[in-house]
Amino acid sequence: GDSVTQMEGPVTLSEEAFLTINCTYTATGYPSLFWYVQYPGEGLQLLLKATKADDKGSNKGFEATYRKETTSFHLEKGSVQVSDSAVYFCALNGGRSSYGKLTFGQGTILTVHP
Amino acid sequence: DGGITQSPKYLFRKEGQNVTLSCEQNLNHDAMYWYRQDPGQGLRLIYYSQIVNDFQKGDIAEGYSVSREKKESFPLTVTSAQKNPTAFYLCASSRGSSGGVDTQYFGPGTRLTVL
Repeated sequence: GDSVTQMEGPVTLSEEAFLTINCTYTATGYPSLFWYVQYPGEGLQLLLKATKADDKGSNKGFEATYRKETTSFHLEKGSVQVSDSAVYFCALNGGRSSYGKLTFGQGTILTVHP
Repeated sequence: DGGITQSPKYLFRKEGQNVTLSCEQNLNHDAMYWYRQDPGQGLRLIYYSQIVNDFQKGDIAEGYSVSREKKESFPLTVTSAQKNPTAFYLCASSRGSSGGVDTQYFGPGTRLTVL
């Protein structure tokens, strides 16, 4: 079945540092890939998405590129801020047969210090 | 404003009682979903519904029940058969298209604590 593996956290960075959160996946067919962010005590917000190989999703300075050859969708940001502190989830939708169901990674906690 | 509302934000119940969590959306989405989130874990799918009056079990449906009588509403009942109900519950919805990208949007969640 479909699965998503994220790098284990927590990740602790200083403000303005470079961020990478690794995400790899296993899926049959042609999945769509997503990054969601969850701030403390809140629901999930869609951060970015990519629907086919070599697509790059981007939003709020975050980027991720859909790499089919390495089955990866790593999240990056060039300069993090304290306000980026949150839990980040990588997820996939396995395609037409999955009827919109999402498979999530376990989440990565990011803490950014001033 | 369009969105998904869940109520209440915090819910406390005694062991052995059934409890119903509310989820409403005004996005005109066909599909709705319920997830459970436990500390340090990803989200696990409880039930989902692609259309009114139809729903399917997700990965951890035991001890839960749902209904989908209206397009905008998808309440979740946590029954006394659920052995470990204390968790954060998240509702989501999506357009439900059978082809193309179907992005899910989430509500703010309900934190259920069983005493």
